[in-house]
Amino acid sequence: EIVMTQSPLSLPVTPGEPASMSCRSSRSLLHTDGSNYLDWYLQRPGQSPQLLISFGSNRASGVPDRFRGSGTGTDFTLTISSVEAEDVGVYYCMQALQTPSIFGPGTKVEIK
Amino acid sequence: QVHLVQSGNDVKKPGSSLKVSCKTVGGPFSSHAINWVRQAPGQGLEWMGKIIPVISATVYAPKFRGRITITADKSASTSYLELGSLSSDDTAVYYCARPLRAGFNNHDYWGQGTLITVSS
Repeated sequence: EIVMTQSPLSLPVTPGEPASMSCRSSRSLLHTDGSNYLDWYLQRPGQSPQLLISFGSNRASGVPDRFRGSGTGTDFTLTISSVEAEDVGVYYCMQALQTPSIFGPGTKVEIK
Repeated sequence: QVHLVQSGNDVKKPGSSLKVSCKTVGGPFSSHAINWVRQAPGQGLEWMGKIIPVISATVYAPKFRGRITITADKSASTSYLELGSLSSDDTAVYYCARPLRAGFNNHDYWGQGTLITVSS
């Protein structure tokens, strides 16, 4: 079974500043079709998770362009170019390559 | 736009079973997998299993095998999660989720969540 790890687990941020977080998979998520099967989700306090990024770098519909996913294989990064107050919450990465879906432990983003 | 509408919160006794429903509104049902994910208080996301309604195929996480059943009623565009032998460790918010495109494991759409509290 694939194991997902994330770092840091807690990330204090300053509005207007950039922020980044890391996700690592125990096996490559690069499919033979050339796509990385890695998703990023944001769960705001008291809300359901929402998809931000699929296939490593594809922003979901309606997701602001300040969110950018990058990486390949086993190492991935989510970058927020300029943090806004509404970006607080827990960010989860998830491998979508195979069943079962496995989520990372999450990175909690809070305003300093 | 696809919406997943879940049944309401509930309280269950230890040793009993839960049943949560998830109705797909505004999009195709049978061709797209419905995943079930839970979140214990203050904890992360835990995938439990999924069903592909068109072929009635299910896959369950090993942790839950033996006490989980996921079903789908195609005529009602609704999936059901049943979990038996409940203990306090099963107190959680239960979510259903499905992909935008059939055949993929992404969780593009999520239900609003159903809080199940297991308490005597």
